[in-house]
Amino acid sequence: QKEVEQNSGPLSVPEGAIASLNCTYSDRVSQSFFWYRQYSGKSPELIMSIYSNGDKEDGRFTAQLNKASQYVSLLIRDSQPSDSATYLCAVTPYSSASKIIFGSGTRLSIRP
Amino acid sequence: DTEVTQTPKHLVMGMTNKKSLKCEQHMGHRAMYWYKQKAKKPPELMFVYSYEKLSINESVPSRFSPECPNSSLLNLHLHALQPEDSALYLCASSPTGASYEQYFGPGTRLTVT
Repeated sequence: QKEVEQNSGPLSVPEGAIASLNCTYSDRVSQSFFWYRQYSGKSPELIMSIYSNGDKEDGRFTAQLNKASQYVSLLIRDSQPSDSATYLCAVTPYSSASKIIFGSGTRLSIRP
Repeated sequence: DTEVTQTPKHLVMGMTNKKSLKCEQHMGHRAMYWYKQKAKKPPELMFVYSYEKLSINESVPSRFSPECPNSSLLNLHLHALQPEDSALYLCASSPTGASYEQYFGPGTRLTVT
């Protein structure tokens, strides 16, 4: 079992709709959770961090964390073509708080 | 300001060359990282420096040699690389450890010929 799992996609969503990206992790006591956006040929850009159960909203983005189910998700409301990118889920395992483990990423495509 | 800078943007080197990648941050962060990223793969951790001391080396070959001259600078010295080392090399920093957000630089695109 991979430490951080994501569906590789591509996930195709119409413009203006909600895009839902999902991630599961194996270390039950992981502490910190991050979503990064990466455009082709560019470096990862941090868009959300979440540390406790529940929802965290920032503009059009909402991160959701459920530690009991070992599940973290990212919702993007009113999707725009500029949201087309690869979204990387990242987790800090309890066993090694000095590093983060990345999922393989989900490629999101917003169709006009 | 959440900027991490990296130089050069692109680097082409032969297998016998010696070169260095540089990374700089002025956010007062005390943890800095080197990652390697191949196409269509997630970043792969190479090294972690915490308070200017090497804290993690992910079994990286000795042809990659990191250096942290001070709290703002991180170098990666390259020697006798192989073509399979061609990748995007990313530097990141975070306030103290990875439990906090990491901010990435733009990367150096390395090609080994």
